Amino acid sequence: GAVVSQHPSWVICKSGTSVKIECRSLDFQATTMFWYRQFPKQSLMLMATSNEGSKATYEQGVEKDKFLINHASLTLSTLTVTSAHPEDSSFYICSAILAEAYNEQFFGPGTRLTVL
Amino acid sequence: DAKTTQPTSMDCAEGRAANLPCNHSTISGNEYVYWYRQIHSQGPQYIIHGLKNNETNEMASLIITEDRKSSTLILPHATLRDTAVYYCIVRVGGTSYGKLTFGQGTILTVHP
Repeated sequence: GAVVSQHPSWVICKSGTSVKIECRSLDFQATTMFWYRQFPKQSLMLMATSNEGSKATYEQGVEKDKFLINHASLTLSTLTVTSAHPEDSSFYICSAILAEAYNEQFFGPGTRLTVL
Repeated sequence: DAKTTQPTSMDCAEGRAANLPCNHSTISGNEYVYWYRQIHSQGPQYIIHGLKNNETNEMASLIITEDRKSSTLILPHATLRDTAVYYCIVRVGGTSYGKLTFGQGTILTVHP
């Protein structure tokens, strides 16, 4: 149980285009999901907290207009990187909280974004 | 959340126990110690967590000192697949806001 999936697993896009990444909790409902970003040889950095039915809460320094987050259902959150540039190339990871497991976080496999 | 300090890297022979230390000298009474690991190019995987008592599950054991200022994650019989970055995280547990702050972690290399 407690499986989190992400789609796509990797994506290559041209500079200036927008990319949408999906995060799904497959066998449980997640009222809260998180989005992280990880650059090569660095640790995970929290970008935003996504709550179902409400606006996301962004960490300091993360542009909310560039990284659009939608959490329309209890099993799906999406991250859209708008007008992507090469510096947005990174590994994007989502996680979901399983309330029944004392609010433990379960992570998705990550999405590798490369912007040319 | 309390800050943690971990060694940058460690080596371990396959089949031997891997003991990964973590210092969290500023931990508060309501903060738990969590361990996650991240295998290359994958999402982090939950390993174990504890508050005061030592904990054991099918993956590992967690030993927390009596003063709670440090802990050790023990992988009893390390395999090559245990090669990963191990993160020790301290945060308030049992809350509805599960924010995790990842440090640099320990790169554990298990060699044949």
